[in-house]
Amino acid sequence: EPEVTQTPSHQVTQMGQEVILRCVPISNHLYFYWYRQILGQKVEFLVSFYNNEISEKSEIFDDQFSVERPDGSNFTLKIRSTKLEDSAMYFCASSRIEGDGYTFGSGTRLTVV
Amino acid sequence: SQQGEEDPQALSIQEGENATMNCSYKTSINNLQWYRQNSGRGLVHLILIRSNEREKHSGRLRVTLDTSKKSSSLLITASRAADTASYFCATVGGSNYKLTFGKGTLLTVNP
Repeated sequence: EPEVTQTPSHQVTQMGQEVILRCVPISNHLYFYWYRQILGQKVEFLVSFYNNEISEKSEIFDDQFSVERPDGSNFTLKIRSTKLEDSAMYFCASSRIEGDGYTFGSGTRLTVV
Repeated sequence: SQQGEEDPQALSIQEGENATMNCSYKTSINNLQWYRQNSGRGLVHLILIRSNEREKHSGRLRVTLDTSKKSSSLLITASRAADTASYFCATVGGSNYKLTFGKGTLLTVNP
């Protein structure tokens, strides 16, 4: 069964450093998403991406965040200057139809120290 | 804002019993989805029910949707220890297509 692949599975970074979280969505999917889950809290929407541009973003997705689809397969989330409160599990997801049939990756656990 | 809110927050049952989890939301939806998450792992899509559907089955899963009450339920029949996980409902609706998740129900199935 097709999978969404995320790397790395766990990243530890110092406060103020930049991190790039990587995702390979399912190949015939057109819509891409990032969500995050702070430990013990709800899964929160960050951003959706379609046709090489952001289609929607949440209040969380401020100027320190950016997304990119640098080639035909990868979808990345960059956090420019990490803060302690950015520590969370970050999930990438993709879907062929908007709002339907999401497939999530296994997540990247980001720890900011 | 529309939000799925599950209850109970935690449910502990014996293997073989049925588990029922409920979800309520606040605004109109296009569809409602249920996900499963094993501790510290990714989200696994279980089932999607559209706003014009009332009931849907998938294996041991049965989902109902009552749009008049803005609620949904997930029934897992003949539970197994391997069903132990957190279960989340998530709604898609209105003019956007993002998933809005509830806090989840932690299901523990005791062997």
